[in-house]
Amino acid sequence: ELKVEQNPLFLSMQEGKNYTIYCNYSTTSDRLYWYRQDPGKSLESLFVLLSNGAVKQEGRLMASLDTKARLSTLHITAAVHDLSATYFCAGGGPTGGSQGNLIFGKGTKLSVKP
Amino acid sequence: DVKVTQSSRYLVKRTGEKVFLECVQDMDHENMFWYRQDPGLGLRLIYFSYDVKMKEKGDIPEGYSVSREKKERFSLILESASTNQTSMYLCAAVDQGRGRNQPQHFGDGTRLSIL
Repeated sequence: ELKVEQNPLFLSMQEGKNYTIYCNYSTTSDRLYWYRQDPGKSLESLFVLLSNGAVKQEGRLMASLDTKARLSTLHITAAVHDLSATYFCAGGGPTGGSQGNLIFGKGTKLSVKP
Repeated sequence: DVKVTQSSRYLVKRTGEKVFLECVQDMDHENMFWYRQDPGLGLRLIYFSYDVKMKEKGDIPEGYSVSREKKERFSLILESASTNQTSMYLCAAVDQGRGRNQPQHFGDGTRLSIL
């Protein structure tokens, strides 16, 4: 059964600094997703990673996938306040071969302070 | 853009009531999902559906049922609401016709309080 663990769960960082959020998963997952959730809002898809070594970047966020290590990372470069949100990673679920099921991590609450 | 609409943002009900949460998507997606989101627990899958009248249990189906009579609408039913069902409920849809790797699109959520 697929389990997804994120760390840290809480992250307070200063503007301009870099940091990485880690997402480990327990069994083979052929797809890995990153989502962002602002307070009181829904989840917004950020990245879809499908193969070993995949790297995707959007602005100050860069996501990567290492399927051998069962690890995905979300790297934040020169953080700004607007990046404050909760970030979730999610892997393809065990029963969801064709149904798109996902198993979510518990989320990382990021707070960027001036 | 895909639009997933949940009928209520906030809902307050009493213990023992039968509660209906409605979700509608506008893109003819086959697959729809209901999650609940609790602090420190992330999102947990309650039920999903991959076609009209088809449903599958997720990780925490106890105390819930679902209905999918039309492709665009997926309803979550709390048969007899209890206080431990107070939570944020999120509906999602995904277009598997474009490939199984498409991201799920989420509604704004319904914050349900059971008194």
